[in-house]
Amino acid sequence: QVQLQESRPGLLKPAQTLSLICTVSGGSINSGSYFWSWIRQPAGKGLEWIGRMYTSGRTDYNPSLKSRVTISMDTSKNQFSLNLNSVTDADTATYYCARMTGSGLFDYWGQGTLVTVSS
Amino acid sequence: DIVMTQSPDSLAVSLGERATINCKSSQNILYSSNNKDYLAWFQQKPGQPPKLLISWASTRESGVPDRFSGSGSGTDFTLTISSLQAEDVAVYYCQQYYSVPYIFGQGTKLEIK
Repeated sequence: QVQLQESRPGLLKPAQTLSLICTVSGGSINSGSYFWSWIRQPAGKGLEWIGRMYTSGRTDYNPSLKSRVTISMDTSKNQFSLNLNSVTDADTATYYCARMTGSGLFDYWGQGTLVTVSS
Repeated sequence: DIVMTQSPDSLAVSLGERATINCKSSQNILYSSNNKDYLAWFQQKPGQPPKLLISWASTRESGVPDRFSGSGSGTDFTLTISSLQAEDVAVYYCQQYYSVPYIFGQGTKLEIK
């Protein structure tokens, strides 16, 4: 059973960089066939796809965040990461990491981590 | 971008009754080469991540009760719960995976009447 767990960065100030790590267990992120994604959800609101990374190094980002986002992978630790720079209050949300099949289905999700941006 | 619009935003149904949630995409998400609709349905309960219920518009995931069914094709889709149970109270989201960026509907909150 694949499990994903997000790190907990907690509170950030505006203009800082959000850094999150997703640790995957029960399967290798280097196994091919899957993308590794980040999705966020402001409190009481809907889901926003942030981006994805394949083991080849290929990345795709939501155009609404593309200028501020980087997703990377550390296969030796079975982890992938999200960096979001120049955060504002609007980036306050629960951030989820998820596995995506080659078809585009989000089949496994982490429990989510709340990130708050406040001065 | 392909925009996904759900209706209604909220819904109250009596236990044992049918619940129907609609989802409309701004573009056709039926891929002609394989005749598959790239539409998924998720269930999200408070404090939990979304759970994948249905893929390819109508394929139930393993372990999902058969009271959940998906239908539709092209641009119009429906999630039906045939006999509402108390544990089905949740927010339901549709999502297109036809093209990047992947977009979710705004969600439909399902409650007990």
